[in-house]
Amino acid sequence: DQQVKQNSPSLSVQEGRISILNCDYTNSMFDYFLWYKKYPAEGPTFLISISSIKDKNEDGRFTVFLNKSAKHLSLHIVPSQPGDSAVYFCAASGIGTNAGKSTFGDGTTLTVKP
Amino acid sequence: NAGVMQNPRHLVRRRGQEARLRCSPMKGHSHVYWYRQLPEEGLKFMVYLQKENIIDESGMPKERFSAEFPKEGPSILRIQQVVRGDSAAYFCASSPLISARTDTQYFGPGTRLTVL
Repeated sequence: DQQVKQNSPSLSVQEGRISILNCDYTNSMFDYFLWYKKYPAEGPTFLISISSIKDKNEDGRFTVFLNKSAKHLSLHIVPSQPGDSAVYFCAASGIGTNAGKSTFGDGTTLTVKP
Repeated sequence: NAGVMQNPRHLVRRRGQEARLRCSPMKGHSHVYWYRQLPEEGLKFMVYLQKENIIDESGMPKERFSAEFPKEGPSILRIQQVVRGDSAAYFCASSPLISARTDTQYFGPGTRLTVL
């Protein structure tokens, strides 16, 4: 049973437009969520995170929204740039688990077209 | 300050051989995590170690896999008697201190294991 799901394996947007990547989770004990970005042949790099006490966190062009009642979070990138093309992973951790034991989704490949 | 280093970057083994994957955490980091990524899937947690201690190995297969993080030297993920299903990318991450569950993890570039 996959506890963190990214239902869209891929997303293509035009440069300058908004990219919205979605993530759903099933475990009610999750209370900390992260987004990672991964280029081919590299390890993931941390992008942005959000605690369950918030519903929004913003960092430059990146904003993460959390809807606890729907168990849904999304990452908004605006404006999208070609350099944002990468695989984006959503991850979650929860009460009683170690920080290292994040549960990852399968990723969404974002392509930003010039 | 060098990032997390993993070697080798690519490793080819025949079925039944042993694979040793090495991870040097960032300077000052004493926590190491190993993840495995199968093709078309996300990263799956395997094990969390501190120096000389395994903290959580709930994601490790019960047989053939082991991990260590000695007082001196890199962390080692060891896979004995490899099978084709072990072919994957293995990522190591490190963090400085677990003061909360929110420590950012810094990932290495990964080791791509291919079992022939």
